[in-house]
Amino acid sequence: GAGVSQSPRYKVAKRGQDVALRCDPISGHVSLFWYQQALGQGPEFLTYFQNEAQLDKSGLPSDRFFAERPEGSVSTLKIQRTQQEDSAVYLCASSLDGMAGELFFGEGSRLTVL
Amino acid sequence: AQSVTQLGSHVSVSEGALVLLRCNYSSSVPPYLFWYVQYPNQGLQLLLKYTTGATLVKGINGFEAEFKKSETSFHLTKPSAHMSDAAEYFCAVSRNQFYFGTGTSLTVIP
Repeated sequence: GAGVSQSPRYKVAKRGQDVALRCDPISGHVSLFWYQQALGQGPEFLTYFQNEAQLDKSGLPSDRFFAERPEGSVSTLKIQRTQQEDSAVYLCASSLDGMAGELFFGEGSRLTVL
Repeated sequence: AQSVTQLGSHVSVSEGALVLLRCNYSSSVPPYLFWYVQYPNQGLQLLLKYTTGATLVKGINGFEAEFKKSETSFHLTKPSAHMSDAAEYFCAVSRNQFYFGTGTSLTVIP
């Protein structure tokens, strides 16, 4: 596709359920980022991949959060045993040039935990 | 550690008036600097970026920003606001990681 694609766009989960959010980056972009954006806030860094290698996962808020990018393309962010505080928009971005390049963002996946 | 501060979570301007959105960063080494815009229910889009070279950077839709190392600032300006400029604006810095500010919501009053 031409841009970064995220699915699902909207997800409602009951507290305690596991969810998986998918990101399909722009073809050829080696860098992939996940961010969490709470209502009225800026994006908060979660994790960063260079190809299939997860180089930084310092932003993951707990061990319930897990991300993978096994073939260096599509990435999945998994949240286990969801809590209400996990409700947010999860943004995926990809970049051709790592930290100096433009981040191309998807439209996000809005997670609501009831 | 790097961080970015956006002064003013909400800014209102009249249509045709100057837009000024403030951004200051903290970093021992000048980072790369970016401004992104987010329209409702859309992803963030790059307005402009500074990496090296000329400190006055021109972006899309008539926006520009000036990197001032002495002031550790990268304020965003536009000479004349348009209704379509109403959106959320985020300043970001990167060196080893991308950090975003908390955003400034711009309202344009007709």
